[in-house]
Amino acid sequence: EDKVVQSPLSLVVHEGDTVTLNCSYEVTNFRSLLWYKQEKKAPTFLFMLTSSGIEKKSGRLSSILDKKELFSILNITATQTGDSAIYLCAAQNYGGSQGNLIFGKGTKLSVKP
Amino acid sequence: DTEVTQTPKHLVMGMTNKKSLKCEQHMGHRAMYWYKQKAKKPPELMFVYSYEKLSINESVPSRFSPECPNSSLLNLHLHALQPEDSALYLCASSQGLRGNTEAFFGQGTRLTVV
Repeated sequence: EDKVVQSPLSLVVHEGDTVTLNCSYEVTNFRSLLWYKQEKKAPTFLFMLTSSGIEKKSGRLSSILDKKELFSILNITATQTGDSAIYLCAAQNYGGSQGNLIFGKGTKLSVKP
Repeated sequence: DTEVTQTPKHLVMGMTNKKSLKCEQHMGHRAMYWYKQKAKKPPELMFVYSYEKLSINESVPSRFSPECPNSSLLNLHLHALQPEDSALYLCASSQGLRGNTEAFFGQGTRLTVV
């Protein structure tokens, strides 16, 4: 059965800290891995990773994929209270019973002032 | 325009009501999705449409009825819902079911069944 596992499930840090969120996957016909940030409503797209070892960056956020070890990490440096959210990892496959995206349970990040 | 628009934003309905959720995108995407998200849980796939045809139905009860009238619109018709159906309903779209393309989500409809 396809699955995506995120860790930790929740994390509390202080402003200025650096955090690393983990996502491992076991997905048949794996295509790509996506990270989303969810605050009050819809998930907002952050990154899509298809190739191993190539870091993607957007401001203080960066992410990388390891297709050999089947995991991805999301790094956030110099965290701010606005980074508080649930971070969802989703694996994208070429079809299958779950359609296009298989989500992990998310990591709830709380950044304290 | 990378926006997926959902209406209404909030909906309260009784168990005997009939209502519809609407989703619209103008990105030329040919795959559209409905997800249901309960509190503190990840989104769960309900339906997938590809080129306006129902591609996947994840064993969703018949009181949820999807409709894709054209390539830009996706509806979810609701009838005789139960209180446990209260959730955030998210629509998403992507270029298609093949190739490496990300999905874009709408802001969701917060549904409360009373």
